[in-house]
Amino acid sequence: ILNVEQSPQSLHVQEGDSTNFTCSFPSSNFYALHWYRWETAKSPEALFVMTLNGDEKKKGRISATLNTKEGYSYLYIKGSQPEDSATYLCAFIQGAQKLVFGQGTRLTINP
Amino acid sequence: SQTIHQWPATLVQPVGSPLSLECTVEGTSNPNLYWYRQAAGRGLQLLFYSVGIGQISSEVPQNLSASRPQDRQFILSSKKLLLSDSGFYLCASLGLSGNTIYFGEGSWLTVV
Repeated sequence: ILNVEQSPQSLHVQEGDSTNFTCSFPSSNFYALHWYRWETAKSPEALFVMTLNGDEKKKGRISATLNTKEGYSYLYIKGSQPEDSATYLCAFIQGAQKLVFGQGTRLTINP
Repeated sequence: SQTIHQWPATLVQPVGSPLSLECTVEGTSNPNLYWYRQAAGRGLQLLFYSVGIGQISSEVPQNLSASRPQDRQFILSSKKLLLSDSGFYLCASLGLSGNTIYFGEGSWLTVV
């Protein structure tokens, strides 16, 4: 079984603070890594697709980095807002076939 | 781009009854297809994936099965549901470039 680990499992952050969390994945046969914002019982919303070692992507206050050699990706949120509260999922694609999600980081922004 | 249709959206089934969830894809051919389950308080667990007709890879031993009778059809089944099968089921496909994941609308199953 392919292990994709996200940490922490849950996070409480004060509004206005910045935060970050991690997705760890196997470094072999890497194809792509996706980040999603997800609300339970809905389809996930795409944030980033990362394919190259050293990739850095940014979308507004959210950014992500990728290290395929050591098998991790970071997601950063700057100046957290209440609407950022959600579960953030990473999805690892191995060999263009297997698609495995991490268990998610549940982020709660306290006003 | 692809579109995925998944149904039914919600169902309540008694323990021991059969299950069939269906997922169909439009806008592409020979997609990689996936079934996931979200159990209460947990992330998306990969159950099955398929890279072609009749080709099924199972990730987690359980009383569920999957079939791919046609190129763009992926079915999740059970002969006898357990209480622990309750959860949110999501079908997904991977775009040809691997840059896009398409999701169905999801199916919420409650086993009573």
